[in-house]
Amino acid sequence: KQEVTQIPAALSVPEGENLVLNCSFTDSAIYNLQWFRQDPGKGLTSLLLIQSSQREQTSGRLNASLDKSSGRSTLYIAASQPGDSATYLCAAHASGGSYIPTFGRGTSLIVHP
Amino acid sequence: EAGVAQSPRYKIIEKRQSVAFWCNPISGHATLYWYQQILGQGPKLLIQFQNNGVVDDSQLPKDRFSAERLKGVDSTLKIQPAKLEDSAVYLCASSALRGVGGRVGELFFGEGSRLTVL
Repeated sequence: KQEVTQIPAALSVPEGENLVLNCSFTDSAIYNLQWFRQDPGKGLTSLLLIQSSQREQTSGRLNASLDKSSGRSTLYIAASQPGDSATYLCAAHASGGSYIPTFGRGTSLIVHP
Repeated sequence: EAGVAQSPRYKIIEKRQSVAFWCNPISGHATLYWYQQILGQGPKLLIQFQNNGVVDDSQLPKDRFSAERLKGVDSTLKIQPAKLEDSAVYLCASSALRGVGGRVGELFFGEGSRLTVL
């Protein structure tokens, strides 16, 4: 059974810092890995999707990497802004027949001015 | 392109009452998921459909929860009778079997339905 862990659980930083959020998964046989952002009281917004054959994806100030062999993905946020404050979740999509996406508990990020 | 639609956004009920949530996925998405998200936790998969067939419902409490996806489009999740521990946000997501630009299997979520059981 796939298990996904996110570290740290919470993070509070001043504006402008570069951040690293970690996601680890127990079963390396994944189809893809997806990073999401969730604002309070809202649904999940997709940030980046990395297919199993890819090593990284970039979108603006966000960069996500994937290392299947070590069961890890990292979300890098450059020059953080107060508007980046949210919970960040990763989901590992199993490559078995049922293709079940399993989520971590998320990292709660606060960027203060 | 319209996103995943869910209703109602909020629902407050007494324990032992029943409630139903509705989801309309993105047009053409064959796979539909219902997740339960308890405050402070990550989403937990309840049931996964592909077209109108169930792919996985191993974590669905079948004594009180039921879900259907008629004609492989809209889906309804029902809870009867509700318990206090069912208070959560119920999230619906959909994905396509074939993605655009290599984005195969990308999940798209609705805004969620927040349930409070008193």
